[in-house]
Amino acid sequence: SQQGEEDPQALSIQEGENATMNCSYKTSINNLQWYRQNSGRGLVHLILIRSNEREKHSGRLRVTLDTSKKSSSLLITASRAADTASYFCATVRANAGNNRKLIWGLGTSLAVNP
Amino acid sequence: DAGVIQSPRHEVTEMGQEVTLRCKPISGHNSLFWYRQTMMRGLELLIYFNNNVPIDDSGMPEDRFSAKMPNASFSTLKIQPSEPRDSAVYFCASSKYLQGPSVAFFGQGTRLTVV
Repeated sequence: SQQGEEDPQALSIQEGENATMNCSYKTSINNLQWYRQNSGRGLVHLILIRSNEREKHSGRLRVTLDTSKKSSSLLITASRAADTASYFCATVRANAGNNRKLIWGLGTSLAVNP
Repeated sequence: DAGVIQSPRHEVTEMGQEVTLRCKPISGHNSLFWYRQTMMRGLELLIYFNNNVPIDDSGMPEDRFSAKMPNASFSTLKIQPSEPRDSAVYFCASSKYLQGPSVAFFGQGTRLTVV
């Protein structure tokens, strides 16, 4: 079953605007990852943030993590039409031992209009 | 590296037939995951292997589904007999299992349609 929950479920913005997506989870985590999925394709890893980190940047991406609230946000700045995709968060549970499966959210569908 | 390779990309089959999906993980990766994705249920983990050994198969829907990993470079997911509700996109992903975080690399998926 899915643990993470992203919101909003769908987001439509104009090119050049910033897009913010949120993810909440239920258990203590080792790390949280964000992935992108273009229509009809496999998921592609974007960025990973560890449980002892609060913020991380990669190009136009900024991820924050608040372990006290069990939530994370993904900010895409200066969005482009090519950013149109679904975005998923996934967590690895803390103290999972040998079972390091990713727990997935249901995703946010982002549409960037030119 | 060619990435995770799945075959076939598309499969259309009749209800009751056996379906076999194939996956070649990235060389050097020792964790392999099979996922199913539908609009209704999102991305579901079916089974997870570490070093060719199944670690978590709690997501395998029922006895009609089986998965094998005979060696580090090949895995299959078999559905027998197939049913229309099995129609979905099936993804294989691999990662390098370490003490630290594991980033998953996905194949392009197999779109299965059971009629």
